[in-house]
Formats: sequence, C-alpha cells, structure tokens
Amino acid sequence: DAKTTQPNSMESNEEEPVHLPCNHSTISGTDYIHWYRQLPSQGPEYVIHGLTSNVNNRMASLAIAEDRKSSTLILHRATLRDAAVYYCILRDVFANRDDKIIFGKGTRLHILP
Amino acid sequence: GAGVSQSPRYKVAKRGQDVALRCDPISGHVSLFWYQQALGQGPEFLTYFQNEAQLDKSGLPSDRFFAERPEGSVSTLKIQRTQQEDSAVYLCASSLGSGGGGYTFGSGTRLTVV
Repeated sequence: DAKTTQPNSMESNEEEPVHLPCNHSTISGTDYIHWYRQLPSQGPEYVIHGLTSNVNNRMASLAIAEDRKSSTLILHRATLRDAAVYYCILRDVFANRDDKIIFGKGTRLHILP
Repeated sequence: GAGVSQSPRYKVAKRGQDVALRCDPISGHVSLFWYQQALGQGPEFLTYFQNEAQLDKSGLPSDRFFAERPEGSVSTLKIQRTQQEDSAVYLCASSLGSGGGGYTFGSGTRLTVV
C-alpha cells in the first residue's frame, strides 16, 4: 500500500462541519482511497472509499482532488460521537483478492461541546 | 451474529503463560486478518487467512505467535510464553474476499501481561 500523510490531531466544535485532510502524493492510478475510523475501545470501522469522483454516504463525504494526490473526509455536522481516530488508506483497485490494510497513525479528532 | 466477535474481551496473563485469543468472523466471509495495536498507535498487521489457508504471516513478531483457522471460519491466535511487550489490543477483521471492499473489525481482545 502507498503511503498517506495526515495531521496528528484536529479539533472541531460540535454541530460544525469537519474537514479531515489526507495527502497521498505517490498514489498510483489503480489505488482506491479508503477511510476508516476507530472510536475509543472499538475496532476500526469502514467509513467511505472512492477512486476519482467525490462520494457521499450516510456517514460522510469524500472529496478527491483532481490530481488525486490529496483527499478530504468531510463530516457535515460533527457530534460528540464522531470523536475518533480517522485513518486514510490506499488500496489497489485491481486486487482480485483481499490484501492487508496498512494503517498509519491517523488523525485524532477531538469534538468540543 | 451480525458482526465479528472476539473473545475474551480482556485477558490478563502472567509472564511466561500461554494464551489463546478467539475470532468469530462474519458468516461466509472468506478473508480473515489479525492485527496488533499498541497504546496510541495504529493497528499493525500480523497475519491473513483466505478460508483455511494462511497466505501471509509476515507480521507475526516472533515464533511465539501462531494463528490457525482449520475449517475456514473461526480463527485462534495463540501466543506462547507471553512477554510484557506482548501487551496490546489484538484485533480481528473479516471480509468477503473479493478485493477492494471494506473490512469489518471486531472490538478486539485487550491482553495485559504482568
């Protein structure tokens, strides 16, 4: 898996949008961008993934730069339950079978009430 | 069940004791992964099964660590002669095995070696 770079920590106020950045300057043309998050005392949880176009689901939105060298996970209205470590990960779209996910240190998101 | 189940949730072992950690993946999931997570760090890959075949064990830190999945469903991670540095949360994940999709993780087993 190619390397990603994320800020160590971020803070946001409750009920405000949160933009979590990820740099992946060495991304290859066949890499999907995946996001997972890990709540306290829980295992990581899949959030969203995308290839080129922006993606939306019930949890979040993923905005992907035109050159694909960076992406941003967007939480539209943060709640205290969104306080977690967020991991940005690259995975090969042509993988015809599963392979290990390589986690970095992620971004620890603090939500202020 | 609907999710990945791990047991026990917590385990305290005396140094030198053997431990066995269990993972029940989602029914029908072909792939199964074990990760080790030290305090304040991201999960570190240990080993990967596709059905009963162990395809990658490159992350196992020593020959004291052994994993098996004999019938392609439940998996056991065994640690022999535990050391203090083995204290960590051990996470199990499973997926359908088709590549590219999301993985479902269990809540982990917190192992403390005293």
